[in-house]
Amino acid sequence: DVKVTQSSRYLVKRTGEKVFLECVQDMDHENMFWYRQDPGLGLRLIYFSYDVKMKEKGDIPEGYSVSREKKERFSLILESASTNQTSMYLCASRGGYSYEQYFGPGTRLTVT
Amino acid sequence: RKEVEQDPGPFNVPEGATVAFNCTYSNSASQSFFWYRQDCRKEPKLLMSVYSSGNEDGRFTAQLNRASQYISLLIRDSKLSDSATYLCVVNAGNMLTFGGGTRLMVKP
Repeated sequence: DVKVTQSSRYLVKRTGEKVFLECVQDMDHENMFWYRQDPGLGLRLIYFSYDVKMKEKGDIPEGYSVSREKKERFSLILESASTNQTSMYLCASRGGYSYEQYFGPGTRLTVT
Repeated sequence: RKEVEQDPGPFNVPEGATVAFNCTYSNSASQSFFWYRQDCRKEPKLLMSVYSSGNEDGRFTAQLNRASQYISLLIRDSKLSDSATYLCVVNAGNMLTFGGGTRLMVKP
């Protein structure tokens, strides 16, 4: 079974803090993704990575950065958290020959 | 206009009912189509792929109309456990684009 894990299920941070969200997958997948999910807006892609040290902007990259130093790990960084970044953050991975994405359980981030 | 549009619902149906969800997509270059299911406070999971010829998986039938850029999901004999949000998903190139989801609530 593919397993995608995220470092925290719930996180509360203050405005201006630097926030790290970690994602690890155990299936040797090349592609990894970070989404945020908000009511009425659905899943929106923040960044994705198709290989180690490679990254591409998604639809809403502003205020975020990412890091992929190892194939199994993809980190999302909020350089200076703001209240409008309160959301559910979902990490996903997929292999090179399939469009099926496997999601982690999500991190519900609240910025106060 | 959103790239993938769905009626958010909720669709409230009794057990045993047949229910259909529709989805439209705007990118005519889209190549692959899927339905994902997301339970409350859980992550999305692939329900089924959608093929041009239509495909069935037990009580679930998916249809694709490329000319109209329209995808559907039919659920027969609804179960309480079918209550969830159903996400229409479309890909073009390396990316998946998710619809906002349609919420289904099956009542006893």
